Amino acid sequence: QKEVEQNSGPLSVPEGAIASLNCTYSDRVSQSFFWYRQYSGKSPELIMSIYSNGDKEDGRFTAQLNKASQYVSLLIRDSQPSDSATYLCAPRGTGRRALTFGSGTRLQVQP
Amino acid sequence: DTGVSQDPRHKITKRGQNVTFRCDPISEHNRLYWYRQTLGQGPEFLTYFQNEAQLEKSRLLSDRFSAERPKGSFSTLEIQRTEQGDSAMYLCASSLDVDGYTFGSGTRLTVV
Repeated sequence: QKEVEQNSGPLSVPEGAIASLNCTYSDRVSQSFFWYRQYSGKSPELIMSIYSNGDKEDGRFTAQLNKASQYVSLLIRDSQPSDSATYLCAPRGTGRRALTFGSGTRLQVQP
Repeated sequence: DTGVSQDPRHKITKRGQNVTFRCDPISEHNRLYWYRQTLGQGPEFLTYFQNEAQLEKSRLLSDRFSAERPKGSFSTLEIQRTEQGDSAMYLCASSLDVDGYTFGSGTRLTVV
């Protein structure tokens, strides 16, 4: 089992729709979770962090965490073509100082 | 502060040669990380420094790889006797304690 699992996609949504990106992780004691956006040919960029169960909203982005289910998701409301990128999920396990990245979900927003 | 800086941006080398990459983190960040990324994959952890101490190294990292962070400032990653399988984007990131990372633009290595 991979430490972090993400559907590779592509996930295609029309402009203005909600994009839902999912991630499961194997380390039951992971304490903090990060979402990164990576445009083609560019390096990853931090967009959200979440530490507690529930939802965290920042602009058009909402991160959702369910530690019991070892599941974290990212919702993007009012999706724009500029949101087309690969989204990487990265939990940090207890006792680990480095993040473990999933392979990412490629999102395509159709104009 | 201009963010995390990596040099060079691109490196083409012949198989068997040694290469060295440099990373300058954000000045107030105490943690520095090296990752490697290949096409279609997420970044793969290589090693991590807190200040000048190398605290974690991936089990996947062969003895041909070595990293340093003298004086807790910039870091270098050296690959000895490069192989074609080393071709990848090498990413450096820095953070303040357990905050999320800021990545540099990366060094793209091509081994021919």
